[in-house]
Amino acid sequence: EDQVTQSPEALRLQEGESSSLNCSYTVSGLRGLFWYRQDPGKGPEFLFTLYSAGEEKEKERLKATLTKKESFLHITAPKPEDSATYLCAGGDSNYQLIWGAGTKLIIKP
Amino acid sequence: GAVVSQHPSRVICKSGTSVKIECRSLDFQATTMFWYRQFPKQSLMLMATSNEGSKATYEQGVEKDKFLINHASLTLSTLTVTSAHPEDSSFYICSAKLDTQYFGPGTRLTVL
Repeated sequence: EDQVTQSPEALRLQEGESSSLNCSYTVSGLRGLFWYRQDPGKGPEFLFTLYSAGEEKEKERLKATLTKKESFLHITAPKPEDSATYLCAGGDSNYQLIWGAGTKLIIKP
Repeated sequence: GAVVSQHPSRVICKSGTSVKIECRSLDFQATTMFWYRQFPKQSLMLMATSNEGSKATYEQGVEKDKFLINHASLTLSTLTVTSAHPEDSSFYICSAKLDTQYFGPGTRLTVL
């Protein structure tokens, strides 16, 4: 069965303290691994798509990487405005998204 | 680019009434749109896939007659919650497929 698991459920960091969020996946015929950011009461905002193992993408303080079993979202020197829930999803062979439960990131000033 | 809007952003209605939510892709055409439901502190739950000009595909456990979906054009899909009850209160989010799924801002439905 296709599954996407994110860890940790929640992560509290001090401003400037770098860390990583994990997304483990088992999705047959994976057609892309997607990262989104969701702020409370809003729809998810697209961040990255990764298609093959070894691929990396960056945007400001965020860098996403992909292996054959998992993806990491690295956050370097985060700021309070990076606080949000980060969602990971695997695209299946029907191009639908299999969602993880998300990691709630809190950055304290 | 790739902006999706939803209307209304918030709606409160009485039990037994119907509510229509609109999802529009503003700067691109979307053959496929998706409707999700999200409960507090939970991830997105796919309700149905909406294809322009054809019937929507509903996920298991989602009542077709309760959640009516219409995708009449390449930029508009609507979700109508019929005879709404308090248990239908939730956050409803649509997305439109381009190279990936782009999401609307969501609609908070409260049924009294």
